[in-house]
Amino acid sequence: AQSVSQHNHHVILSEAASLELGCNYSYGGTVNLFWYVQYPGQHLQLLLKYFSGDPLVKGIKGFEAEFIKSKFSFNLRKPSVQWSDTAEYFCAVTKGQGNLIFGKGTKLSVKP
Amino acid sequence: EAQVTQNPRYLITVTGKKLTVTCSQNMNHEYMSWYRQDPGLGLRQIYYSMNVEVTDKGDVPEGYKVSRKEKRNFPLILESPSPNQTSLYFCASSSAVGNQPQHFGDGTRLSIL
Repeated sequence: AQSVSQHNHHVILSEAASLELGCNYSYGGTVNLFWYVQYPGQHLQLLLKYFSGDPLVKGIKGFEAEFIKSKFSFNLRKPSVQWSDTAEYFCAVTKGQGNLIFGKGTKLSVKP
Repeated sequence: EAQVTQNPRYLITVTGKKLTVTCSQNMNHEYMSWYRQDPGLGLRQIYYSMNVEVTDKGDVPEGYKVSRKEKRNFPLILESPSPNQTSLYFCASSSAVGNQPQHFGDGTRLSIL
């Protein structure tokens, strides 16, 4: 079945540590890729998106993600996390005009 | 301000008592969708609508109904709620399906006793 996999269920980091959250998808062909963030008690907000062009995309709050087509991956990175980055992060994919399919999410806890 | 508005934000009710969660967007978006969010399962799509009078099932449609009589509104109806529908629900909209990001409402936490 076509799916989106996020490898880590819960990641705990100290402030200033570097972050990488994995995301793999199983769709072939052209895809649109998204990372959403959900801060505690809030709704999902778009962090960044990739449709085409430069595979390294920059989003808000210092986040970036790299699309590696050969690996079917779209990993999220941040060089130095802050306590305010504590949230749940969702990778999502659409294929063509298809619906958005979400991964199960990764909770990030940043210790001050 | 561009937004997706859901009501109510919280609801505790009993099995079998029909309820409706409203969703309204002010961005003239054609595409709207409902998701439920459960711990460890992420967001799963319940129903979606590509435009007025056009709705279709998502991944978990059982026990739910929707309607899209107007472009801005997309209510979610639970005709006979059951405890397994206790969840956090999100409505979302976008200008198109596929390559446009979705805008999410603040969520509705439903508890069915």
